[in-house]
Amino acid sequence: EVQVLESGGSLVQPGGSLRLSCGCTGSGFTFNAYAMTWVRQAPGKGLEWVSEISGNGGSTYYADSVKGRFTISRDNSKNTVYLQMDSLRAEDSATYYCARSSNNYGLHDWFDHWGQGTLVTVSS
Amino acid sequence: DIQMTQSPSSLSASVGDTVTISCRASQNIARYLNWYQQRPGKAPKPLVYAASSLLDGVPSRFSGSGSGTDFTLTISDLQPEDFAIYYCQQAFSIPPITFGQGTRLEIK
Repeated sequence: EVQVLESGGSLVQPGGSLRLSCGCTGSGFTFNAYAMTWVRQAPGKGLEWVSEISGNGGSTYYADSVKGRFTISRDNSKNTVYLQMDSLRAEDSATYYCARSSNNYGLHDWFDHWGQGTLVTVSS
Repeated sequence: DIQMTQSPSSLSASVGDTVTISCRASQNIARYLNWYQQRPGKAPKPLVYAASSLLDGVPSRFSGSGSGTDFTLTISDLQPEDFAIYYCQQAFSIPPITFGQGTRLEIK
């Protein structure tokens, strides 16, 4: 069974920074064989895709709303993906979900395992 | 960007009913369409991938269909645990990946 666990969410002031982490484990699971993605959900709102990274980390993709402010990365030796969030705005407040892609390149995929989410609140 | 539009935004139904949720893409996405279920306070759960393939463990009362721009998710013999919010998601092009706005299925 694959397990996904996010951490790092907290209250941060506008303009501040935060780094989210996401660990992905499971028996017989090869972490670098899968792309990983971040999806967020503002309170009472729908799902918004944020960023995705390929299995080897060589390809990264971002939503326009976070491009230039957020950076996705991964450490395959630690089975962990990160989301560095800089210049945070009030509209970035949301629950951030980490999810595993069904393939290693992040296109034509689906998100087959999700974490429970970590809450980010941007407020003064 | 590919826009995904779901209809209806909400619907009410009774246990045992059959309901259909529609999802329309703003351009041809072939069959790269996925469906997720989200119960209150929980993470989304994948149900259907590639328009019509059920993921392991998803009850057979769920079915997906469509291709190109028009897709549907049908739930037959509704059960109490099916009352949730459903999202479609296109996987044809990245970036960005886009979700529909969601359809809330409520108990009548």
